Amino acid sequence: AQSVTQPDIHITVSEGASLELRCNYSYGATPYLFWYVQSPGQGLQLLLKYFSGDTLVQGIKGFEAEFKRSQSSFNLRKPSVHWSDAAEYFCAVGADSGTYKYIFGTGTRLKVLA
Amino acid sequence: EAQVTQNPRYLITVTGKKLTVTCSQNMNHEYMSWYRQDPGLGLRQIYYSMNVEVTDKGDVPEGYKVSRKEKRNFPLILESPSPNQTSLYFCASSFQVSTEAFFGQGTRLTVV
Repeated sequence: AQSVTQPDIHITVSEGASLELRCNYSYGATPYLFWYVQSPGQGLQLLLKYFSGDTLVQGIKGFEAEFKRSQSSFNLRKPSVHWSDAAEYFCAVGADSGTYKYIFGTGTRLKVLA
Repeated sequence: EAQVTQNPRYLITVTGKKLTVTCSQNMNHEYMSWYRQDPGLGLRQIYYSMNVEVTDKGDVPEGYKVSRKEKRNFPLILESPSPNQTSLYFCASSFQVSTEAFFGQGTRLTVV
């Protein structure tokens, strides 16, 4: 069965520092992978997605993620964090064979120090 | 404007009183789904629908029902709500399961 693991529940970084949020997935075939961001009191917004091709994908707000099949990972990165990046981040995997489910990780809450 | 609209945004109800949370999308999406969000558990899929009249269980379907009579609407029905269904609920839609999902603003449900 497909699953998504985000091992870091909370992460705190200083403004201007680099950021990496970890995501590991379990899926039998090549997955469709997504990162979403949820600001307080809001719905979720797509940051970026990976379907195939180039394993380094660029998203909005300066975020990027790298798909590593050998490690079953899809980590999110940003070279310089801004205070407005404080939010909760969710990794998700979509399956298009068998179940057609959409599975989210438990989320990582990012705090940014001024 | 492309959007997913959920109603109501906030709801307090009593145990056992049937309720429906509506969800409507204006993007002609085929795939729609419902999630509940609980602290520490992330978003868990309740039900999803591949198209009109095609629905299937997600990971936490117990105590919920859905219907998809029209492409744009995907209501979530709680026939006999219980306190453990107190949660934040999101509806989402996308062209397919493999494409970007658009989320509603959420419905905060409290069952007392």
